[in-house]
Amino acid sequence: AQSVTQLDSQVPVFEEAPVELRCNYSSSVSVYLFWYVQYPNQGLQLLLKYLSGSTLVKGINGFEAEFNKSQTSFHLRKPSVHISDTAEYFCAVSDPRTGRRALTFGSGTRLQVQP
Amino acid sequence: NAGVTQTPKFQVLKTGQSMTLQCAQDMNHEYMSWYRQDPGMGLRLIHYSVGAGITDQGEVPNGYNVSRSTTEDFPLRLLSAAPSQTSVYFCASSYSTGVSTDTQYFGPGTRLTVL
Repeated sequence: AQSVTQLDSQVPVFEEAPVELRCNYSSSVSVYLFWYVQYPNQGLQLLLKYLSGSTLVKGINGFEAEFNKSQTSFHLRKPSVHISDTAEYFCAVSDPRTGRRALTFGSGTRLQVQP
Repeated sequence: NAGVTQTPKFQVLKTGQSMTLQCAQDMNHEYMSWYRQDPGMGLRLIHYSVGAGITDQGEVPNGYNVSRSTTEDFPLRLLSAAPSQTSVYFCASSYSTGVSTDTQYFGPGTRLTVL
């Protein structure tokens, strides 16, 4: 069965420190991978995506993620976070159960950036 | 472009009432989806559509109906509201790469409370 696991429900970090948000997925077929961000009381916004090609993907706001097929992981990183990065982050995969026409989401990681 | 719009933003229902959540997009996207977001569970797919006249069930379809008579609109109907349907509902639309959904664009959400 398709699933996405975000290993940390909350990640507290100090401003200007590096951060990694972890995501693992299970799938017997190739999938497309996405990271979305949700700021308080807002909808979801795409940070970055991996469809094919280079396994290191760069997104908006200085975020990047690395696709690791052997580890079935797609961890999100930022070398130096800002207070404004405080939000909830969701990893998602195109769901083979829907013919990859919709997404399966992880449970989310709340990033709390402290001054 | 307005993107993806949802109405209403907030709604309170009594158990057993019915209502329709509206969703519209002006980007000529083929794919549209409805998700519900509950604390600690990420977003779960309710129904999705790959074009006008074509809909299919997602992970949690019970208690919800959809139809898609035009490319632009994808309403979600609650037939007989239950407290378990208290949630935030997001509509999304996307292009297809030919083999998968690509970036999904999300509406601002509808916060529904069922008493």
